[in-house]
Amino acid sequence: DQQVKQNSPSLSVQEGRISILNCDYTNSMFDYFLWYKKYPAEGPTFLISISSIKDKNEDGRFTVFLNKSAKHLSLHIVPSQPGDSAVYFCAAKLDSGSARQLTFGSGTQLTVLP
Amino acid sequence: EPEVTQTPSHQVTQMGQEVILRCVPISNHLYFYWYRQILGQKVEFLVSFYNNEISEKSEIFDDQFSVERPDGSNFTLKIRSTKLEDSAMYFCASSHRASSYNSPLHFGNGTRLTVT
Repeated sequence: DQQVKQNSPSLSVQEGRISILNCDYTNSMFDYFLWYKKYPAEGPTFLISISSIKDKNEDGRFTVFLNKSAKHLSLHIVPSQPGDSAVYFCAAKLDSGSARQLTFGSGTQLTVLP
Repeated sequence: EPEVTQTPSHQVTQMGQEVILRCVPISNHLYFYWYRQILGQKVEFLVSFYNNEISEKSEIFDDQFSVERPDGSNFTLKIRSTKLEDSAMYFCASSHRASSYNSPLHFGNGTRLTVT
């Protein structure tokens, strides 16, 4: 069941440049999307989220864009820093107000080169 | 900042044995979750728990699995008779409200379960 897909398993970016991580989903009923960052030997850490009623949410260097018609979201990191190197997971949820599960993508390993 | 803590960090067990994975969620959180990640695969939902009962569970969470909140602080995942394919990293998570726009899940650092 591939309801949330991250088609790029890895991405390398030079320090200071923009990192763009992509995520596609198939279930049009998802109404809440999140990005998590994961370092080795640690649990996923919440980064940023967006409601389906918005198309953009910005928090410092991180911006998430949502294109509902294309069922696509992306995370932009500007400027990228070496400490951003981690696995980034896209996640989605039905019915944001319930205890229902998050559905995760398979993750993208971001490497920011100094 | 408050954290979700999980113990042990690594558990090795023999096939057929029972294991209990322990979690201490953030103290004012009301919703509790278990997820797992098999090596090289995606993070998968197992179960959510609220008001002392299971809210939702996945097809992975069969009769071999159970969860319990035995006291006001701990949240445990029990696997009654472990199988080789249960080897994975198990993540506990909690949220103040039902994981919504303003209440994301907070994850622990995980317990690596190795079944031999």
